[in-house]
Amino acid sequence: DGGITQSPKYLFRKEGQNVTLSCEQNLNHDAMYWYRQDPGQGLRLIYYSQIVNDFQKGDIAEGYSVSREKKESFPLTVTSAQKNPTAFYLCASSKEAHGYTFGSGTRLTVV
Amino acid sequence: QKEVEQDPGPLSVPEGAIVSLNCTYSNSAFQYFMWYRQYSRKGPELLMYTYSSGNKEDGRFTAQVDKSSKYISLFIRDSQPSDSATYLCAMSGSGGSNYKLTFGKGTLLTVNP
Repeated sequence: DGGITQSPKYLFRKEGQNVTLSCEQNLNHDAMYWYRQDPGQGLRLIYYSQIVNDFQKGDIAEGYSVSREKKESFPLTVTSAQKNPTAFYLCASSKEAHGYTFGSGTRLTVV
Repeated sequence: QKEVEQDPGPLSVPEGAIVSLNCTYSNSAFQYFMWYRQYSRKGPELLMYTYSSGNKEDGRFTAQVDKSSKYISLFIRDSQPSDSATYLCAMSGSGGSNYKLTFGKGTLLTVNP
């Protein structure tokens, strides 16, 4: 079945540590996106990529980094520069303006 | 003014009620309008998709778009406890980076048996 796989489902980060969230899709979609979701804040765009080897900052890119070396993969690194990383992270992909397909999310907690 | 405004609720209704969820927006370039349903601790799933103005019906769900008023609605008939979720409206323009969706903050709906 086609879809988006995010891993891990739960992730714990220590202060000062970088962590990487995985996102893989087998939908042959060109565009991929990373969102952060906090209670009462809705979905906020971190980074997006419309083509391999190219990506753009979203509204809250500070403290995050991404890469897009393959069409299927769009990993997100939460760096130590992100001061408040505890949140629910959602990856999505799309082919055209027909809406996104979302992954099941990664819940990141700072310990 | 935010690009997309959505009443966060929460909204609580009895089983069988008709539910109306709404969003307003300010960007006249938006052409594509979507509703997503998100269960707790899950990713959002696409529920309804509409291009430009008009109505679209799918089972118990009806989506309406009024571009002249910059207003979209989702109606749920004969609501069920399984409809309890957060509903997110989303919209985008056409072409290139305009495929990037702008989301409302979501409305939390509870349908009580």
